[in-house]
Amino acid sequence: NAGVMQNPRHLVRRRGQEARLRCSPMKGHSHVYWYRQLPEEGLKFMVYLQKENIIDESGMPKERFSAEFPKEGPSILRIQQVVRGDSAAYFCASSPVSGANVLTFGAGSRLTVL
Amino acid sequence: EDKVVQSPLSLVVHEGDTVTLNCSYEVTNFRSLLWYKQEKKAPTFLFMLTSSGIEKKSGRLSSILDKKELFSILNITATQTGDSAIYLCAVGSRDTGTASKLTFGTGTRLQVTL
Repeated sequence: NAGVMQNPRHLVRRRGQEARLRCSPMKGHSHVYWYRQLPEEGLKFMVYLQKENIIDESGMPKERFSAEFPKEGPSILRIQQVVRGDSAAYFCASSPVSGANVLTFGAGSRLTVL
Repeated sequence: EDKVVQSPLSLVVHEGDTVTLNCSYEVTNFRSLLWYKQEKKAPTFLFMLTSSGIEKKSGRLSSILDKKELFSILNITATQTGDSAIYLCAVGSRDTGTASKLTFGTGTRLQVTL
């Protein structure tokens, strides 16, 4: 069981470029969550998705950020026109059912914006 | 807004010592409290607590929840260098409906030295 797979592990972008982070949930899990961890801060919820549906995006910044979880393939967190403040570790987690409190996390994608 | 506060922020102990990590929370409609261990990779699940006064134990680690005083502790006995990590406390709320939107504390950084 490969667990939650995230890639890339490290991504460097210049200001104004786009960042795409991918997440494949654990086998058998159909619920995906994205969290962001800024330096010296806790993990902050961003968005919760099921296949082809965004269930809760209350933690997503209003602009430049979007997420999808297509019928086939990984979930993608997309950040357009990145700024230095977007530099953070982005963690994906998955669960087998809705309302499951125990989330399995991936190793994270660390985004650095120059 | 839900809030989770962990203390101490960081801790250095000698191998063999016993440590107690604290987590206090304010959340509407508490559902569960979770402890995760974060090394340089994916946060890994340790415990989920839902009921007051019932100790959860796994090897040298144990945890207990007090829903009246709104806090939890994580104990590690006979610490080893492999226990060095950031320990994260998170709370799940029933207000999130079907979403497992956890609120995390900033973590306690534990360093165990020889």
